[in-house]
Amino acid sequence: DAKTTQPPSMDCAEGRAANLPCNHSTISGNEYVYWYRQIHSQGPQYIIHGLKNNETNEMASLIITEDRKSSTLILPHATLRDTAVYYCIVRVGETSGTYKYIFGTGTRLKVLA
Amino acid sequence: NAGVMQNPRHLVRRRGQEARLRCSPMKGHSHVYWYRQLPEEGLKFMVYLQKENIIDESGMPKERFSAEFPKEGPSILRIQQVVRGDSAAYFCASSPYAGSGRARAFKNTQYFGPGTRLTVL
Repeated sequence: DAKTTQPPSMDCAEGRAANLPCNHSTISGNEYVYWYRQIHSQGPQYIIHGLKNNETNEMASLIITEDRKSSTLILPHATLRDTAVYYCIVRVGETSGTYKYIFGTGTRLKVLA
Repeated sequence: NAGVMQNPRHLVRRRGQEARLRCSPMKGHSHVYWYRQLPEEGLKFMVYLQKENIIDESGMPKERFSAEFPKEGPSILRIQQVVRGDSAAYFCASSPYAGSGRARAFKNTQYFGPGTRLTVL
């Protein structure tokens, strides 16, 4: 069962920030939130992950609410090549050491010229 | 630095035949995960292996499916007596050995291969 809920689709104008929300209200205290994207039917590409604090890297920023029940992935300046399905994932199995990903259904982001 | 490699990229089988999917992890990675993706759906976890050990196979169908990751060579996902419902994209991911604390979280980030698309006729 998916532990995340995402809107099925979003549009974003090229050059603008894309804000992709994710709900994970049943997340446990030691479970990480990961974001990946899948372009066409390629293998998922890692974007960013976090536990409690906000995170930023060269691709994106991740904002996690204080109660950890939701998060937002921010692509600061979307380009046409960012058109993809974005998956918000909860990684489970921290205690058992299995670290497996539970994928949701993802958000299909379309960047418009 | 080569990424995760999977072959074949496309595989066509008739019902009742066997399918063998191979995954070579990134250099230095000793953990392999297999996921299945049906059309228009997200990926579903199948199995997690370390060298010569199956750690978690909770997502594997009880029959016809098996996986291995031998000491030498790639990880193999094997599907016996394939049926039409097995048609899907199968993705393999690898991660390095887990450290501890914050390093453990990062080192368990999974990197995915390009997938094998299985079509059962």
